[in-house]
Amino acid sequence: SQQGEEDPQALSIQEGENATMNCSYKTSINNLQWYRQNSGRGLVHLILIRSNEREKHSGRLRVTLDTSKKSSSLLITASRAADTASYFCATDKGAAGNKLTFGGGTRVLVKP
Amino acid sequence: DAGVIQSPRHEVTEMGQEVTLRCKPISGHNSLFWYRQTMMRGLELLIYFNNNVPIDDSGMPEDRFSAKMPNASFSTLKIQPSEPRDSAVYFCASSSRESSNQPQHFGDGTRLSIL
Repeated sequence: SQQGEEDPQALSIQEGENATMNCSYKTSINNLQWYRQNSGRGLVHLILIRSNEREKHSGRLRVTLDTSKKSSSLLITASRAADTASYFCATDKGAAGNKLTFGGGTRVLVKP
Repeated sequence: DAGVIQSPRHEVTEMGQEVTLRCKPISGHNSLFWYRQTMMRGLELLIYFNNNVPIDDSGMPEDRFSAKMPNASFSTLKIQPSEPRDSAVYFCASSSRESSNQPQHFGDGTRLSIL
């Protein structure tokens, strides 16, 4: 099974609303990253949160990390139609090196 | 700056044929990753290189798959012979350091269809 599992698998919201998605993982980590993938394109890095951080912001993005629950959340505030994409969390399993394991993703549809 | 460049963008071929996917990482990046994405299995890491050396190839599905990185600016993923179940989108990504605290930069992938 994959290290990171996103929830929900799909999300449909109206423009202007907030979108929240969650990621759970099984083993300890050093860092957790979130990526976005637009249809037909490669993944784009959004934000990285270290295991000793609890919250991080970048523009309209807010990421939280709860290592005791082995979970993270990504919040997109004031969503726009351009935010329509799939969102993936990626973890490093706490091992040395730079290997990442990606979750199955959350498909977000923002309706104008 | 140019991002990660993959070629071809699309490949359609018949089973049994050899397929070669190509990747040019971002200049100065010393880690390179090959992933495969399917609806059923999601995004899977096949192999990754640090400083042109293969570090972990445990994700390579079978001996039919091989990857090389002859220099810092080029890598290939080869499937020989190809099978219909190899149909997927194959991504190459690079990062600047051998550390999990670095973002990975992805190409736009090669959509491979094996008939």
